[in-house]
Amino acid sequence: EIVLTQSPGTLSLSPGERATLSCRASQSVSSSYLAWYQQKPGQAPRLLIYGASSRATGIPDRFSGSGSGTDFTLTISRLEPEDFAVYYCQQYGSSRSTFGQGTKLEIK
Amino acid sequence: EVQLVESGGGLVQPGGSLRLSCAASGFTFSSYWMSWVRQAPGKGLEWVANIKQDGSEKYYVDSVKGRFTISRDNAKNSLYLQMNSLRAEDTAVYYCARGAYVGDYWGQGTLVTVSS
Repeated sequence: EIVLTQSPGTLSLSPGERATLSCRASQSVSSSYLAWYQQKPGQAPRLLIYGASSRATGIPDRFSGSGSGTDFTLTISRLEPEDFAVYYCQQYGSSRSTFGQGTKLEIK
Repeated sequence: EVQLVESGGGLVQPGGSLRLSCAASGFTFSSYWMSWVRQAPGKGLEWVANIKQDGSEKYYVDSVKGRFTISRDNAKNSLYLQMNSLRAEDTAVYYCARGAYVGDYWGQGTLVTVSS
């Protein structure tokens, strides 16, 4: 099983700042099968990025994904008030998909 | 508009059974893999199982293998999760999602509580 470790656990930033979230895999994720989700309290997850760097339908271009192999990054270029939430990475390069433990992005 | 609506959650005793349903609309259900993902209270996400368009392939996380069964009825645009031998650690909100692993649409979830 591929274990995903997200860092930091909590990120405190202000609107307008840049956010960089990390996701590290215990072994290489094949074909960059890595996705990112945003989840707000009481809501279902929302797909942001798939294939490590492709934005899902309707996702603003301030969200971008990068990386390959074992190291992946989600960047939010300029934080909007609605971006404060929990973010999860997910690998689907094997038939047993796994998620990271999440990064909470909070308002400073 | 794509909609996924889960139902069937509730309180069940350890060792008991429950069947979750997910009603799909707004897309051609029979053309998509479908998945179940769960989230224990205050915890992260865990992929549980998925099923191919025609039901010929199914995959499960190890912790539910032999206890849970995923199925679908394309005529009814519905996805199911039969959960047997339930344990306290199965307590979670269960989401259905469109896609084999990457869920581009999710339902609102249904809460399953396993407790005596």
